[in-house]
Amino acid sequence: GAGVSQSPSNKVTEKGKDVELRCDPISGHTALYWYRQSLGQGLEFLIYFQGNSAPDKSGLPSDRFSAERTGESVSTLTIQRTQQEDSAVYLCASSLDGGRKETQYFGPGTRLLVL
Amino acid sequence: AQSVTQPDIHITVSEGASLELRCNYSYGATPYLFWYVQSPGQGLQLLLKYFSGDTLVQGIKGFEAEFKRSQSSFNLRKPSVHWSDAAEYFCAVGEGGGNKLTFGTGTQLKVEL
Repeated sequence: GAGVSQSPSNKVTEKGKDVELRCDPISGHTALYWYRQSLGQGLEFLIYFQGNSAPDKSGLPSDRFSAERTGESVSTLTIQRTQQEDSAVYLCASSLDGGRKETQYFGPGTRLLVL
Repeated sequence: AQSVTQPDIHITVSEGASLELRCNYSYGATPYLFWYVQSPGQGLQLLLKYFSGDTLVQGIKGFEAEFKRSQSSFNLRKPSVHWSDAAEYFCAVGEGGGNKLTFGTGTQLKVEL
């Protein structure tokens, strides 16, 4: 079946602009995660959605970062007033129900470059 | 706070040789441990996971890992490496509600033909 998809694959933006990154999880997966992979920080958790519960935003690095999820489907990660240090690969993952034994399936990522 | 350490940034092995990638974790309770592989331009793919029971777990692509509580380690092994195994390998521990993953810094594997 279809895996996790992300769009765009690549995004180049100018410092100060806003960007939106999209994630389509695997159908039927109620848990959705955003991670960031950068040279300086490695792979780090950003935010987690589970069903209709309030999201766990504990990994968001600043208030310029926000994310939304419509029901149990698409999620959008928004970065406002982008900075050069936001340049990274943003990875989305989904799992069946967020349980500790569940596998998180990752998408191919969106590579963001802030000039 | 929990953490994961992968001491080797780069490892080079010859094709057909055995492989061991090291992973040490710091976690207060019983850890849920994962190994992922990332090939160039690809997303992360799960190789194997451990959460209880048998301390030797088998994964895909001929990989296995052994959980050693006394050493806080979860090393990944493969008896005979193939050129297609060249990739970056990440060890991770899952935390709490939602199983948020904390990753190590990764080990880049190069395979010499």
